Amino acid sequence: GENVEQHPSTLSVQEGDSAVIKCTYSDSASNYFPWYKQELGKGPQLIIDIRSNVGEKKDQRIAVTLNKTAKHFSLHITETQPEDSAVYFCAASINLGSGGGADGLTFGKGTHLIIQP
Amino acid sequence: KAGVTQTPRYLIKTRGQQVTLSCSPISGHRSVSWYQQTPGQGLQFLFEYFSETQRNKGNFPGRFSGRQFSNSRSEMNVSTLELGDSALYLCASSPRGGHTEAFFGQGTRLTVV
Repeated sequence: GENVEQHPSTLSVQEGDSAVIKCTYSDSASNYFPWYKQELGKGPQLIIDIRSNVGEKKDQRIAVTLNKTAKHFSLHITETQPEDSAVYFCAASINLGSGGGADGLTFGKGTHLIIQP
Repeated sequence: KAGVTQTPRYLIKTRGQQVTLSCSPISGHRSVSWYQQTPGQGLQFLFEYFSETQRNKGNFPGRFSGRQFSNSRSEMNVSTLELGDSALYLCASSPRGGHTEAFFGQGTRLTVV
């Protein structure tokens, strides 16, 4: 089955600086890659996603890049703010396109992002 | 639009008992998936339901089961509880299934004593 590795496990950056979180996946059939943000006591919140036919996607201060050849994808957060402090998860899945999907989302172990004031 | 609602938020059960968790998806979403989150194993896929049919299942024992009703609401059942079943159980709904655009609820925190 799919295996997703996520690095680093903890990332501390100064407020206003950029943060980058990296993930690799093992199954070349995976074609959907979402990122989630989880705050204490809450469920994961979908913040951005990318499909395998796209190399990069941006939404205001966050962006995701995908390298299918190398099987890795990254989350970039610019101009970090205190409210960005949370645990971030990457995930991968196979979307069969007809509304079906195999095996669910496979998640990385998470990155605890700490924004230092 | 209301988000994904899970009830109850917290549960304490004794080893050997069974438990039922409930999930109401976002209105119009037909797919409901369940995940288990623990500090050691992280987030792991349990199963997905779409139009009342289980479409996918993760690598969990048969003690874990679920169902989906005609209004897309879903329940998850765990029988013969073990201490290791203590976890945050999360439900996610998506509009088309296939695990895309999956929105999670706040989860049910299950503690087995």
